[in-house]
Amino acid sequence: GNSVTQMEGPVTLSEEAFLTINCTYTATGYPSLFWYVQYPGEGLQLLLKATKADDKGSNKGFEATYRKETTSFHLEKGSVQVSDSAVYFCALNRNNAGNMLTFGGGTRLMVKP
Amino acid sequence: DTEVTQTPKHLVMGMTNKKSLKCEQHMGHRAMYWYKQKAKKPPELMFVYSYEKLSINESVPSRFSPECPNSSLLNLHLHALQPEDSALYLCASSQVDTQYFGPGTRLTVL
Repeated sequence: GNSVTQMEGPVTLSEEAFLTINCTYTATGYPSLFWYVQYPGEGLQLLLKATKADDKGSNKGFEATYRKETTSFHLEKGSVQVSDSAVYFCALNRNNAGNMLTFGGGTRLMVKP
Repeated sequence: DTEVTQTPKHLVMGMTNKKSLKCEQHMGHRAMYWYKQKAKKPPELMFVYSYEKLSINESVPSRFSPECPNSSLLNLHLHALQPEDSALYLCASSQVDTQYFGPGTRLTVL
């Protein structure tokens, strides 16, 4: 079956530090890959996506590259801000009937001034 | 515009009450979803509607009753809930492979 594994948090960084949140997946075929962000008390917001191998998704300074050879989709940002403090979910969609998402467990990021 | 709206934002109800959660999208998406999210966990899928018909029910107890009156609206009717049903309820809609989520309804069952 499908699965997504994320690094456990919380991840605590100082402002302007470099961020990496690891995400690996197991799926047959060619899933689409996503990062969602959830700020405290809010719903999930789509951060970025990639639909095929070697695609790079990017948004708001965040990037992730679809690596089929390592089945990974690691999230990176060069310089984090306090406002980036949130929970980040990696997810995949096998594009089968129902468009069902498989989520990782989530990684809480805390950025200190 | 990729907005999904949900009302109410917060809801407190007793175990004998009947209430409804509402979700709306005007993006022309033909698939809509209900999720339940407990603290510090990822969302768990409850129901999927495709072209206004229920296509997936993830073995959800019958005290949760979904309804899709038209292609823009999705309701979740609640009756005789238990305290363990307290959670954030999220609605989503999708275009092709991408789901867009609403802000959620924070439900507390007393």
